[in-house]
Amino acid sequence: TQLLEQSPQFLSIQEGENLTVYCNSSSVFSSLQWYRQEPGEGPVLLVTVVTGGEVKKLKRLTFQFGDARKDSSLHITAAQPGDTGLYLCAGERTDKLIFGTGTRLQVFP
Amino acid sequence: KAGVTQTPRYLIKTRGQQVTLSCSPISGHRSVSWYQQTPGQGLQFLFEYFSETQRNKGNFPGRFSGRQFSNSRSEMNVSTLELGDSALYLCASSFRRLGATGNTIYFGEGSWLTVV
Repeated sequence: TQLLEQSPQFLSIQEGENLTVYCNSSSVFSSLQWYRQEPGEGPVLLVTVVTGGEVKKLKRLTFQFGDARKDSSLHITAAQPGDTGLYLCAGERTDKLIFGTGTRLQVFP
Repeated sequence: KAGVTQTPRYLIKTRGQQVTLSCSPISGHRSVSWYQQTPGQGLQFLFEYFSETQRNKGNFPGRFSGRQFSNSRSEMNVSTLELGDSALYLCASSFRRLGATGNTIYFGEGSWLTVV
């Protein structure tokens, strides 16, 4: 059973477009982390959100944690080819880190 | 500050053999957790060690085991390898145990295991 559902699963866009990735669950998490993974490498941490309703900005990336700490979103403004990769959300619960299904983003020049 | 280091990066094993993977966490981190990543199942939690104790285990058979040493370094062992064990095995470290408030978790580059 996948506790964290990400949507969309795949996204192909042109450089300069905006996009939003969603991470949804029926479970509450103590924190939620977003990672980006390049082929053949480990996930690289982008951000950790802890408080319900929290919004964090990292340059062109905006992360939001749902008020109930069950869902999150990642918004990218003016996407660039360097944003291409697999985006993973991961919810932290007691004794476990649960990953989302992943969103594969391709940004074309 | 060095990141999470995993060795070996790539290895090929034969069905029935066993394999041991190593993980050195970020200095000062006491939690080490292990994950299996496959195209079909995505990233799945294997187990976590904190202060040399296994705290939790994911839904994997007993062929998957691990341990943590007093310096927080961890090893993962898979015995009687099966073709389906071919995957990227990732190790992650954090200062606090999984689930603790305000925890930040960092991943290594992974060990690619191919079982033939």
